[in-house]
Amino acid sequence: EDQVTQSPEALRLQEGESSSLNCSYTVSGLRGLFWYRQDPGKGPEFLFTLYSAGEEKEKERLKATLTKKESFLHITAPKPEDSATYLCAVGGGSARQLTFGSGTQLTVLP
Amino acid sequence: DGGITQSPKYLFRKEGQNVTLSCEQNLNHDAMYWYRQDPGQGLRLIYYSQIVNDFQKGDIAEGYSVSREKKESFPLTVTSAQKNPTAFYLCASSIRDTPRDEQFFGPGTRLTVL
Repeated sequence: EDQVTQSPEALRLQEGESSSLNCSYTVSGLRGLFWYRQDPGKGPEFLFTLYSAGEEKEKERLKATLTKKESFLHITAPKPEDSATYLCAVGGGSARQLTFGSGTQLTVLP
Repeated sequence: DGGITQSPKYLFRKEGQNVTLSCEQNLNHDAMYWYRQDPGQGLRLIYYSQIVNDFQKGDIAEGYSVSREKKESFPLTVTSAQKNPTAFYLCASSIRDTPRDEQFFGPGTRLTVL
């Protein structure tokens, strides 16, 4: 069965304190790994797609990386406005559709 | 501006009532999706449609129904058969229904059963 596990469930950082969020997956034949940002009461906002191990993508303070077993979302010098829940989803494997993780709730304190 | 709209933002339903959630997109995407989000859980797929006049059940289709009569529109009906409908409902679309194509989400509808 395809599985996506995100850790930690919640993370509190001080402004400027860099860290990483983890997305581990067990999917045979990964076709795409997707990162989203979700603010409370709103729909997820698309951030990145990664297709193959070794691939990296960056956007402002965020950088996403991919290995054969997991993806990391690195947050460099975060600001309070980066506070949100970050969702990971994978496409491929036996599931016909995307499989989503439960998310990491990030809080950045000023 | 291209995007996905959902209405209403908040919806209240009495026991035994059917309600319909609206989803419209102007991105010219072929595929559309309905997800349910509950606290502490990942998004769960209710129904999806790869093309007009066609749709398939997702993982939790019981108690829900959909139609896809126009490319732009994919309404979801929550029927009285759905035992626990209180949740946040998200509509999404993608250019094609493949595992390589990112999905774009609407703002969501929060349904509460009174």
